[in-house]
Parts: sequence; C-alpha cells; structure tokens
Amino acid sequence: DTEVTQTPKHLVMGMTNKKSLKCEQHMGHRAMYWYKQKAKKPPELMFVYSYEKLSINESVPSRFSPECPNSSLLNLHLHALQPEDSALYLCASSALLGSYEQYFGPGTRLTVT
Amino acid sequence: QQQVKQSPQSLIVQKGGISIINCAYENTAFDYFPWYQQFPGKGPALLIAIRPDVSEKKEGRFTISFNKSAKQFSLHIMDSQPGDSATYFCAASKHNAGNMLTFGGGTRLMVKP
Repeated sequence: DTEVTQTPKHLVMGMTNKKSLKCEQHMGHRAMYWYKQKAKKPPELMFVYSYEKLSINESVPSRFSPECPNSSLLNLHLHALQPEDSALYLCASSALLGSYEQYFGPGTRLTVT
Repeated sequence: QQQVKQSPQSLIVQKGGISIINCAYENTAFDYFPWYQQFPGKGPALLIAIRPDVSEKKEGRFTISFNKSAKQFSLHIMDSQPGDSATYFCAASKHNAGNMLTFGGGTRLMVKP
C-alpha cells in the first residue's frame, strides 16, 4: 500500500474556528511532512516529523499546530486562521528524513472565511 | 540560498509532440534530482529521478537529461499525450541527509489533442 490518505478533502472554516486536518500512511515510513500549496505554486514545507518527533518547523505561525500521535498518523490543528491561509494542505511521507522519494496525499482544500 | 529555477512556466504541445522542461540549480551538494507530476486536485507524485553521475535516464516516454557542468537538467516527454497534461515540478535533494526537497516553480503542461 503506497497511499497517503488525508481527511477531510475540503474544509471551510471561520477565523474563530478550531479544526484539524488528518493524515495517515501505512508504508512504515518514519518521516512525515506538512506542506502548504497556493495556486500555481510549488509545495511549501511547513513541518517535518522524524520518528514521531518534530524535526523541522519552517517558521510557521502558531495558529498552525502539528501533532504526530504515532508513526502512521499526522495531524495539523488549526485555530484563528486568516483568509490568506486558504490553500491546499498536503501531507507527505518518506522512508527516512530528507528522502527525495516522498509520497503525497491528495490534500485538504482549506478555505478560511 | 538553495534555489532551483524552472522554465517555462507554461507549455502547450500538440499530441505526439515532445515536451521539454528545463531546470537549473545552484548548490552542488544536491545529489538527487527528482521530477514530480501533479494533476488538478491531486498531490504531487514522483515521476522519475536522476543522480548527477548519470547523464540521462529514461523511463518509458519520460527522459531526464543531466548536465553537471552547467548545473542544469531537463525533462523530455516524448509522444506527448493529453493525459500528460499536468503541472510538473523539478526538485533537488541531498538524499537522506536531512535536507528537504527544494522545488522549482512548476510548469503547467497542456497537450492538445
């Protein structure tokens, strides 16, 4: 199984809401990533977990809070977002940290109103 | 600063033609150069990758050409098909060294029937 799943597919939230994005992989990968992608732009790295520990935080605002409950799951908790945070949020995994071979999920299309 | 520059931003090719996308990098420490393909509404998927000690790699209709001295690499799609219409991202990585993927800006390819 080489699939990374993400839920929900679409999410609309107000600026005062709290919501969570979920990501799951069963490939035994030990690195998991959150990316943000704006239209017509490449994915922009947000967070990286390696062996369930936060390895990289690319200076992301605190209104985004990642969590890695176990080696298969990755969450992104959202709170007090801004309209400019509207984007496609992609989860990815790789066998090891920094591997060029990353497997991406289909993403969650987030709209902040 | 690590950068990968990609051109063109968009490309229109007739069915059966050759699509060519070019990338240039700066950091000679990169040791893997993958290409990702992204269809609308989907996450990027690894298409093909090359190491700098190889000048060319071919997988089906997709070929990467690599020029180490010029620090450039390109993707050639032979016999382009409408199903190849997607956004293509070149990237660079120092594999398994903790360095993350550095993406190019992307090329939106449209193959006309």
